[in-house]
Amino acid sequence: DIQMTQSPSTMSALVGDRVTITCRASETISSWLAWYQQKPGKAPSLLLYKASNLESGVPPRFSGSGSGTEFTLTISGLQPDDFAIYYCQQYKGYPRTFGQGTKVEIK
Amino acid sequence: QVQLVQSGAEVKKPGASVKVSCKASGYNFNDYYIDWVRQAPGHGLEWLGWINAHTAFTHYAQQFQGRVTMTRDTSISTVYMELDRLTSDDTAIYYCARVCTGGSCGWLAPWGQGTLVTVS
Repeated sequence: DIQMTQSPSTMSALVGDRVTITCRASETISSWLAWYQQKPGKAPSLLLYKASNLESGVPPRFSGSGSGTEFTLTISGLQPDDFAIYYCQQYKGYPRTFGQGTKVEIK
Repeated sequence: QVQLVQSGAEVKKPGASVKVSCKASGYNFNDYYIDWVRQAPGHGLEWLGWINAHTAFTHYAQQFQGRVTMTRDTSISTVYMELDRLTSDDTAIYYCARVCTGGSCGWLAPWGQGTLVTVS
């Protein structure tokens, strides 16, 4: 199985901060990576796919980059609505696997 | 709008089976796959498998092979996930999610609201 490792697991940030989350794959996955946001008590919601493609309706302060084994999710100008847990997911191989999540908390 | 609506919460005894439904609307049901993902309390996301809504072909994660069955009823645009021989480790929220069928697809959007399955 392809292991996905996110860092950090938890981070504290202020409204307006630039936040970067890293996701590493245990083997190359090209750009077959998605990012999701999950708020308490809700289902995950797609932010980006194919590493850097913004899902329709997602604010442009979210961006993604990377290929191969290392990827980043950047939030430029953190908003109150962005405090949540973020997951990466690879879809290069089976089983589909997710990172363990990064919780973005209010500092 | 595209929507997936799941059945309600379930409480099951160890050894029993559970069947969760996922009703799709707002798009051509036959044009997409439906994946199933679960999330144990306070834990991350675990992929169970997918079903091709058009052909009913399935692909299951190896760890669930022999214990999970995914089916669909095209007449009501609904997909089902049945999990057998439940243990307490199967207590989780089960989500369905839509996936496009192209070779470069694999991202999940949108997701159903989730179904809590409690095994106790």
